[in-house]
Amino acid sequence: EAQVTQNPRYLITVTGKKLTVTCSQNMNHEYMSWYRQDPGLGLRQIYYSMNVEVTDKGDVPEGYKVSRKEKRNFPLILESPSPNQTSLYFCASTPAGTPSPNYGYTFGSGTRLTVV
Amino acid sequence: KQEVTQIPAALSVPEGENLVLNCSFTDSAIYNLQWFRQDPGKGLTSLLLIQSSQREQTSGRLNASLDKSSGRSTLYIAASQPGDSATYLCAVPKWDFGNEKLTFGTGTRLTIIP
Repeated sequence: EAQVTQNPRYLITVTGKKLTVTCSQNMNHEYMSWYRQDPGLGLRQIYYSMNVEVTDKGDVPEGYKVSRKEKRNFPLILESPSPNQTSLYFCASTPAGTPSPNYGYTFGSGTRLTVV
Repeated sequence: KQEVTQIPAALSVPEGENLVLNCSFTDSAIYNLQWFRQDPGKGLTSLLLIQSSQREQTSGRLNASLDKSSGRSTLYIAASQPGDSATYLCAVPKWDFGNEKLTFGTGTRLTIIP
């Protein structure tokens, strides 16, 4: 089954304890991105990756890091989590690294992160 | 800056009724539009992708239409069922300096009353 897999689904952590949220897609998609969803603010892009070793900041990158060493994986790293990073996180992928009307997005099931 | 609005914000209808969800966008220079559903606290499930050259796209009981010139899309759900209860989001992509970013609508929370 074609899918984007995120882990963990739920995570409660303490301020300052480094964590990684994994994201893997099995569709050979070039483009991957991370979004966070907050009440009243909707979904906002954190980071994106056009292809292996090509990543860049989205709208709200502060406090996050990413890497793209393999095409299928795009982990989100919080080096020192803070309570304002409590949110619902989504990883997404789409086939092409260039704009195309033919391709939509596949989203993961989400990771609910709570930082206390 | 693209702004995407969905009206109504919430909708409750009895089971079996047909219904229409609306999505409006301010920048008509889009190349596609995607409809998603989101169950509470869960992921986004893609429902339909409608390309800018298309007027309609259908999947089962769902039909999406797109009118680029007026900046509107509608999602028609036929013969609604309690399992259709969810939040529905529309999203449009924008390509900008090597980044494609989705702008999501504000969402419509749909409740189907058995």
